[in-house]
This record gives sequence, structure tokens and C-alpha cells, in this order.
Amino acid sequence: AQSVTQLGSHVSVSEGALVLLRCNYSSSVPPYLFWYVQYPNQGLQLLLKYTSAATLVKGINGFEAEFKKSETSFHLTKPSAHMSDAAEYFCAVSVDAGGTSYGKLTFGQGTILTVHP
Amino acid sequence: DAGVTQSPTHLIKTRGQQVTLRCSPKSGHDTVSWYQQALGQGPQFIFQYYEEEERQRGNFPDRFSGHQFPNYSSELNVNALLLGDSALYLCASSLIATEAFFGQGTRLTVV
Repeated sequence: AQSVTQLGSHVSVSEGALVLLRCNYSSSVPPYLFWYVQYPNQGLQLLLKYTSAATLVKGINGFEAEFKKSETSFHLTKPSAHMSDAAEYFCAVSVDAGGTSYGKLTFGQGTILTVHP
Repeated sequence: DAGVTQSPTHLIKTRGQQVTLRCSPKSGHDTVSWYQQALGQGPQFIFQYYEEEERQRGNFPDRFSGHQFPNYSSELNVNALLLGDSALYLCASSLIATEAFFGQGTRLTVV
């Protein structure tokens, strides 16, 4: 079974500062890893995904994440925070379900990002 | 492209009642998954439908059932509602070897 742990339920940064949201995963087989963002009263929007290609993955809105197998981590970063980045962020893992789809997603508990002016 | 659409957006039901939530997948997508997101939690996988059959199921009781239609749209049914079923229900659609796209969700309140 897969699992995800997001370290820090709340992260607060100043506008222009580095954003670092931490995610560690557990999987017995090579995983697919994702970061999603959720704005209040909204669904989930995909920021980026790792699918066993390049270990440094670039996503939308200036976010990127690095897959580190030895550390079982997939931390999300952004060099300079913007007020519009304030939202809840979810890390998720899935595994190949017989090659027909990514299968079910297992999510972490989420990290609420607050950006101060 | 309308993306993944869910209806209704909000719903209030009484304990013991039954509810049906609906989802239309993104154009061209053939796989639909349902998730339950309780307040302050990450989404929890309920089940996934592909070719009108349930392919995978999470740790949810049989009160939760679903259906996928030939046009790939899907329904989630919950019987004998409990207060603990109050949550945001998210539908996600995908295609073979692609990531899931989520709808805006249906907010279910059980009173």
C-alpha cells in the first residue's frame, strides 16, 4: 500500500520568499507522484507530476519538485512566493494499475500556505 | 472544453436518506474516480469506474455505490446517510496513462 506524509499542516512565508512544502511517500513499487493545489471551495488543480522521467519536474505557476528516491521525498518549491499562491497544497501518490491508468490517488493531509505582504 | 462537471454543487440531506451525485468527465476521458474530502482532510479514494465496471475500491462501506454510463458519465449513490458522510465529494476523470482532472465537487451536508 502507498502512503504520503506532508510535514507541516501550515506554512507561512512573506511575499517574494522561497516556498518549500515537504512531502514524503511510501510505496513498494515505483510511484507516480503529484502535487495538487486547492483554493477555497474549489476542486483540485494539478501543479505537476513525476512519472519516472526527469527527477526535477517543473509545473505551472513557477512551481517545481524534485524526486529523491533515496530520501523517498518529493518536496515542492517556488523561488518567490506571490499572494495568489495562498491555498492548500496536496501531495499524492499512485501506482500503475495494470498499465491502464494511474489508478487510485493516495493523498497527504494537505499543507495550507499563507503568504504575507 | 467544459472540463469535469459535477452536480449539484451543494446538497443538504437528513440522516437515513439516500443521495445521488453526478459527474460528467472531461471530453475524451473514459475513467472516473470518486473521492471523499472531509473538512480539514485530504481526499480519500472511494472507487474508480472504467468501461462501466468498478475497477478499484477504497475502504468505504457498501452504502457507497456507483455507476458509469456508456457515455462515461458517472453517479455516486450513498444510502442510509450518516452525519459522518458530510464532506466534499470530488469526481476525477482520466484517460489511459494520464493524470486525473478534478471537478469542483459537491458539498454534502447531512443533518
